[in-house]
Amino acid sequence: AQSVTQLDSHVSVSEGTPVLLRCNYSSSYSPSLFWYVQHPNKGLQLLLKYTSAATLVKGINGFEAEFKKSETSFHLTKPSAHMSDAAEYFCVVSEEEEYGNKLVFGAGTILRVKS
Amino acid sequence: NAGVTQTPKFQVLKTGQSMTLQCAQDMNHEYMSWYRQDPGMGLRLIHYSVGAGITDQGEVPNGYNVSRSTTEDFPLRLLLAAPSQTSVYFCASKELASSYEQYFGPGTRLTVT
Repeated sequence: AQSVTQLDSHVSVSEGTPVLLRCNYSSSYSPSLFWYVQHPNKGLQLLLKYTSAATLVKGINGFEAEFKKSETSFHLTKPSAHMSDAAEYFCVVSEEEEYGNKLVFGAGTILRVKS
Repeated sequence: NAGVTQTPKFQVLKTGQSMTLQCAQDMNHEYMSWYRQDPGMGLRLIHYSVGAGITDQGEVPNGYNVSRSTTEDFPLRLLLAAPSQTSVYFCASKELASSYEQYFGPGTRLTVT
């Protein structure tokens, strides 16, 4: 069965400094991996996804993530944080199952950006 | 193209009452699901469906019922509301294969007193 661990519940960075949000996963097969962002009192928006093509995935708003199979990691990065990046971020793993597929969410990482 | 819509946006129930949260999508997606979001726990899957007439339980199904009579609609029913069901509920839909992203509705904030 798949699972997702987001290693930090809260991350605080200064505006203009790099962002690193860490995600480890476990999966029996070749997973698809996603990062979603949720701004306060809003729904969830897809940032990026990995589906067994290039291991370095670029997403919206300057975010990217690298799939490392040997480390079972899918960390989210951004070179320079902006105030508008303050939100909660979720790492998600998805696997094909016999009947459809199942998605598992991490517990979330709240990103705070200081001016 | 409205995407995934949910009604109501907010709801307050008394313990023991019942209600139905509505969810509809206009993207012809086969896969639809309901999640609840609680602080520090991410989103937990309640029920999901891979097509009309087919539903299955997720991680936290107790106290909730679903049905899928059409591709477009996937209502979630609370039969006897309890304070533990106070949460934010999200409906989502996607293409069936695992590589496709989910599209989320705006959420329903439910309080059970």
